[in-house]
Amino acid sequence: ETGVTQTPRHLVMGMTNKKSLKCEQHLGHNAMYWYKQSAKKPLELMFVYNFKEQTENNSVPSRFSPECPNSSHLFLHLHTLQPEDSALYLCASSPTLDRVAYEQYFGPGTRLTVT
Amino acid sequence: GENVEQHPSTLSVQEGDSAVIKCTYSDSASNYFPWYKQELGKRPQLIIDIRSNVGEKKDQRIAVTLNKTAKHFSLHITETQPEDSAVYFCAASTDLRDDKIIFGKGTRLHILP
Repeated sequence: ETGVTQTPRHLVMGMTNKKSLKCEQHLGHNAMYWYKQSAKKPLELMFVYNFKEQTENNSVPSRFSPECPNSSHLFLHLHTLQPEDSALYLCASSPTLDRVAYEQYFGPGTRLTVT
Repeated sequence: GENVEQHPSTLSVQEGDSAVIKCTYSDSASNYFPWYKQELGKRPQLIIDIRSNVGEKKDQRIAVTLNKTAKHFSLHITETQPEDSAVYFCAASTDLRDDKIIFGKGTRLHILP
């Protein structure tokens, strides 16, 4: 284990449902990220949090709503999703955004299917 | 903004041969270039990285080269083994605060027996 956990690992939801993805890191990092990985696209950065503050919103639709209550936890709240939102959602963390050593540690991902 | 192109999208090599994956980037300010390996059904993991103040870095069978003038960098795997089969992603970023990391589309590497 890399110290970054995600729950649930698999999620099936209807377009009218509301669900949340959870990420937790035990590495003492201060920066956390949400990525989307779909079959036809590379890893897409969605959100970046540094010391609990959102520093990046990469033109993500408002049906995805992130929350970072502290440096160890990151949530992605989902509502009224579309079938094309079906993908693997990866959480990652890194020490900070300021360091040259920018290594990111990825969680195992949540496989989301929107029906 | 930064754009990272990665080639080839699929690569098959005989076990024991070498594999080379190439990436180009567009933002001359980029100065950090990590490579991630993602095995089937698993998370991406950093395997090697290089910063713009060096031209080459090696770690056992894996090496990365960087040509800043041409804005391209490559991953070299020698003496390939079955466990090298995976998807490899290159990425580029700067070490500036709040900057993005941009990933390539990935290369699916198959090691043939």
